Amino acid sequence: AQKVTQAQTEISVVEKEDVTLDCVYETRDTTYYLFWYKQPPSGELVFLIRRNSFDEQNEISGRYSWNFQKSTSSFNFTITASQVVDSAVYFCALSEGGQGSSGSARQLTFGSGTQLTVLP
Amino acid sequence: DGGITQSPKYLFRKEGQNVTLSCEQNLNHDAMYWYRQDPGQGLRLIYYSQIVNDFQKGDIAEGYSVSREKKESFPLTVTSAQKNPTAFYLCASSISGTLTEAFFGQGTRLTVV
Repeated sequence: AQKVTQAQTEISVVEKEDVTLDCVYETRDTTYYLFWYKQPPSGELVFLIRRNSFDEQNEISGRYSWNFQKSTSSFNFTITASQVVDSAVYFCALSEGGQGSSGSARQLTFGSGTQLTVLP
Repeated sequence: DGGITQSPKYLFRKEGQNVTLSCEQNLNHDAMYWYRQDPGQGLRLIYYSQIVNDFQKGDIAEGYSVSREKKESFPLTVTSAQKNPTAFYLCASSISGTLTEAFFGQGTRLTVV
């Protein structure tokens, strides 16, 4: 069974600080996808990134960067020079590459989320 | 603009009543999903549908029902059999069930009064 753990329930930082959100996953599949989503106060989840299990290259997008390490089953997310608008709940999610029990749709398993508060 | 629309945004239900949450998408996505979110918890899958007229139970399907008569629509009914229905419900869709990113609606907050 797949599992995603986000051990940090809440993090508070002061604006312009860097912050890293941790994500550890468990899966028996060799093919899988990892995702990060942002949930602002409005409630809608916003897609940030998807990585497949065969691509361990780190990725940078503006102030966001992701560190994927299969050896430690981690997919951590760093925000550089944080801003107040970054305040949100961030979810890490995992989807296994094998066929689901229905042989069709695959499922996303979410972590419990990290509430990030950036103070001015 | 393309997207997913959930309605209503807030819903109040008396105990013992069934209520239906609407989810419509104009993204031409095949797969649609319903998730439930409780405070301090991640999203848990209720039901998902890969194609029209087909749907599968997720991890917490008891007390819920769905239909998929049209590609664009995937309504969720919270029945009186659901013992603890107060939660935030999110609908999502993806191009297919093949690991593409899912797009989410803005959610419906259901409260039992």
